[in-house]
Amino acid sequence: DQQVKQNSPSLSVQEGRISILNCDYTNSMFDYFLWYKKYPAEGPTFLISISSIKDKNEDGRFTVFLNKSAKHLSLHIVPSQPGDSAVYFCAASAGSNYQLIWGAGTKLIIKP
Amino acid sequence: DAGVIQSPRHEVTEMGQEVTLRCKPISGHDYLFWYRQTMMRGLELLIYFNNNVPIDDSGMPEDRFSAKMPNASFSTLKIQPSEPRDSAVYFCASSSKLITRRGYEQYFGPGTRLTVT
Repeated sequence: DQQVKQNSPSLSVQEGRISILNCDYTNSMFDYFLWYKKYPAEGPTFLISISSIKDKNEDGRFTVFLNKSAKHLSLHIVPSQPGDSAVYFCAASAGSNYQLIWGAGTKLIIKP
Repeated sequence: DAGVIQSPRHEVTEMGQEVTLRCKPISGHDYLFWYRQTMMRGLELLIYFNNNVPIDDSGMPEDRFSAKMPNASFSTLKIQPSEPRDSAVYFCASSSKLITRRGYEQYFGPGTRLTVT
């Protein structure tokens, strides 16, 4: 059973516009949600996260929104830049369990 | 700190051969994770260690896979014998037990791309 789902394998966005990446989860015990970014031939790197006690976290061009009632979170990138082209993974953790449960990833393509 | 170090970066081997992947975690990190990434299954957790002790190996696909962590600064993932379906990118990641405002962030190495022919 996939506890973290990213239903869009890929997303194409025009440079300068907003990119919205979505993630759904099933486990209500998750208390931290993290977004990772991955370029080809590199390991994933941390991008932004949100605690379950918040509904929004912002860091520069990146904002993550959490809707606990819908068990849904989204990552907004505004404005999108060519360097944002990468695979984005959503991950979640529960309590003191140090594992991260990962989504399948969404490939974001920023068109010039 | 140099970050998580993995070697080799690329490995090409023939079916039936033994393959050993290596990882050096970030100094001071208590947790070490081995992942496999494939197009079909995304990022899969294979096994993770806490203070050099394996905690959960339920993701290890078969007995052909084994992992060790003889000390806090070194871990290996071994496949013996290797098969073509083992071809994937294998990542090692480490983290601290101390939660930060980011949550339990994991730091990844660059990965080892394994090709079994």
